[in-house]
Amino acid sequence: AQSVTQLGSHVSVSEGALVLLRCNYSSSVPPYLFWYVQYPNQGLQLLLKYTSAATLVKGINGFEAEFKKSETSFHLTKPSAHMSDAAEYFCAVSDGTGGFKTIFGAGTRLFVKA
Amino acid sequence: KAGVTQTPRYLIKTRGQQVTLSCSPISGHRSVSWYQQTPGQGLQFLFEYFSETQRNKGNFPGRFSGRQFSNSRSEMNVSTLELGDSALYLCASSLDRGPHNEQFFGPGTRLTVL
Repeated sequence: AQSVTQLGSHVSVSEGALVLLRCNYSSSVPPYLFWYVQYPNQGLQLLLKYTSAATLVKGINGFEAEFKKSETSFHLTKPSAHMSDAAEYFCAVSDGTGGFKTIFGAGTRLFVKA
Repeated sequence: KAGVTQTPRYLIKTRGQQVTLSCSPISGHRSVSWYQQTPGQGLQFLFEYFSETQRNKGNFPGRFSGRQFSNSRSEMNVSTLELGDSALYLCASSLDRGPHNEQFFGPGTRLTVL
């Protein structure tokens, strides 16, 4: 069965600092992996997705994620945090098992300090 | 292209009542999924509809039900409301079924049960 674990329910960084949000997945077959962002009082918005074409995936707003099969990880990074990055971030996995369900992690809330 | 729309955006009900939430997917999208989001439980999958048929169901009691119409619009119904049903209900649409499909989320309906 597929699953996803996000390490750290809250992450705080200073403006201009590196953002690193951790995600580990479990899947019995090659997975599709996603990062979504949710701003207050809004739905989720896709940041990027991994579909096996390239291990380093670039997304919107300067975010990128690297798929590491050996570590079963798909961590999200951004070189320099901006105040507008403050939001909740969700990692998700879908591998076609379980009837094509997408499984979401518990989310990581990112705080950006001025 | 218009995004996913959900109505109403906010709803206040009392225990024992029932409620119907509506979701209009992006034009051309055939799959609609529903999620419940709460601070304690995170994002939990309710069900998925495709071609007017429920394809997947999460671990929710029978009080939660849904349907999809021929134009792909979907409704979900919760009967005999409980205090614990207070949550943000998110609808997401995707072009087709399959694990590679990203989901497009609506802004959600905030349900408060008093």
